[in-house]
Amino acid sequence: AQSVTQLDSHVSVSEGTPVLLRCNYSSSYSPSLFWYVQHPNKGLQLLLKYTSAATLVKGINGFEAEFKKSETSFHLTKPSAHMSDAAEYFCAADTGGFKTIFGAGTRLFVKA
Amino acid sequence: NAGVMQNPRHLVRRRGQEARLRCSPMKGHSHVYWYRQLPEEGLKFMVYLQKENIIDESGMPKERFSAEFPKEGPSILRIQQVVRGDSAAYFCASSLQSPAREQFFGPGTRLTVL
Repeated sequence: AQSVTQLDSHVSVSEGTPVLLRCNYSSSYSPSLFWYVQHPNKGLQLLLKYTSAATLVKGINGFEAEFKKSETSFHLTKPSAHMSDAAEYFCAADTGGFKTIFGAGTRLFVKA
Repeated sequence: NAGVMQNPRHLVRRRGQEARLRCSPMKGHSHVYWYRQLPEEGLKFMVYLQKENIIDESGMPKERFSAEFPKEGPSILRIQQVVRGDSAAYFCASSLQSPAREQFFGPGTRLTVL
């Protein structure tokens, strides 16, 4: 069965330092993978997506993620955190059917 | 091009009442998905609909929950005889094609059951 695991429920960084949000997936085939961001009381906004093209995917707001098949990972990174990055981040996988499976989310805190 | 619209944004119901949540997909999108987000949890798939058809409702509770996407008008998620455990944020998403390569999400409806 497909699953998405976000390894940290909370991550706290200082402004200007790198961000790493970890995501592992379990799938019987190469899925499409996504990262979404959710600001308080808002819907989800797509940050980036991997669809079997380049393994390093660049998204909006300076975020990028690297697909590593051998590690079944799709970690989200950003070189320098900004206060406006504080939000909840969801990793998701397209199962190839009709559902998208979401991880439980990682809440990112950015300290001044 | 307006995004996915959901209304109401906030809905308060007493136990036993009915809740109706509406979703208007993006223009040109004929695929609609409903998700539920419980506090401190990720999104859980509920149902996938195309116009006038339920394609996959494997995430829907067997009782009290129903969904429709009529030929005209928004998609409706209906919860009958609500209970406190139904309190959650309900998100609708739409896509241009399916299997979806990208879903566009609405702002959600936050249901509170007193």
